[in-house]
Amino acid sequence: SAVISQKPSRDICQRGTSLTIQCQVDSQVTMMFWYRQQPGQSLTLIATANQGSEATYESGFVIDKFPISRPNLTFSTLTVSNMSPEDSSIYLCSVTRLVQGGEAFFGQGTRLTVV
Amino acid sequence: AQTVTQSQPEMSVQEAETVTLSCTYDTSENNYYLFWYKQPPSRQMILVIRQEAYKQQNATENRFSVNFQKAAKSFSLKISDSQLGDTAMYFCAFMKPNTGNQFYFGTGTSLTVIP
Repeated sequence: SAVISQKPSRDICQRGTSLTIQCQVDSQVTMMFWYRQQPGQSLTLIATANQGSEATYESGFVIDKFPISRPNLTFSTLTVSNMSPEDSSIYLCSVTRLVQGGEAFFGQGTRLTVV
Repeated sequence: AQTVTQSQPEMSVQEAETVTLSCTYDTSENNYYLFWYKQPPSRQMILVIRQEAYKQQNATENRFSVNFQKAAKSFSLKISDSQLGDTAMYFCAFMKPNTGNQFYFGTGTSLTVIP
C-alpha cells in the first residue's frame, strides 16, 4: 500500500493569489497524478507528474495555471495560480504502482475555496 | 478513449438490505482492470473491490461483490447487509495497464443507508 499526506487539507484564498498543495508519499513511486473534484462531481485528471521530466497535462489544463513540481520519487506539488472562484474545488493527489492491476492510492484532498 | 458511465446519481437502501450500483464502460481494449472506490464525507478515496478483465470469476470482498459482464461492458457492485458506514459516494473506475496506470472515473453514485 501507499500512505499519502496532502497539505493543506483546506484553505480559503483571495482571488488573484496562488496556492501550492503538497503531496508526500511514504514510499518511492514512479507515477503521481493530480485530480480536481468539483462539488458533487467526479474526479478529473489535471496532469501526470513524473520524476525528472515535465508533467503531462490533460486537455483543458495548462502549465501556466497549474504548475507542478516533482523533485523526487516521494514528493510533488501542485500550484493553483491566479485563482478565481471557478477554481474552488477539491484537489486530490494520487499514486499507483507499476504492477499489473495496481490500485490507485489517494491523499485526503485539499478543499480550496476562492473568495 | 475510455468512458465510464454511472447512470444512478443517487440511491438509498435500508440498513441490512442489499443494493446494486450500476456501471458501464466503453473501451476497445481487451486487457484492463475495473475498480469500485468509496468516498465517504471525509473525502478519503478507499478501494472497495477490483476486477481483472481476463478473469471470468466475479470478485468478492466480504459484503461487496461485483457482476462483471465483459461482453456487455457492465460492472455492477452489490452491497449485501448494508451498514450505516456504507453511506458514501461510490465511483466506478477503469484502468488500462501499460499507460502509466491512468484511471478513468465514472460520475459517481451517492448511496445513503437508512437506519
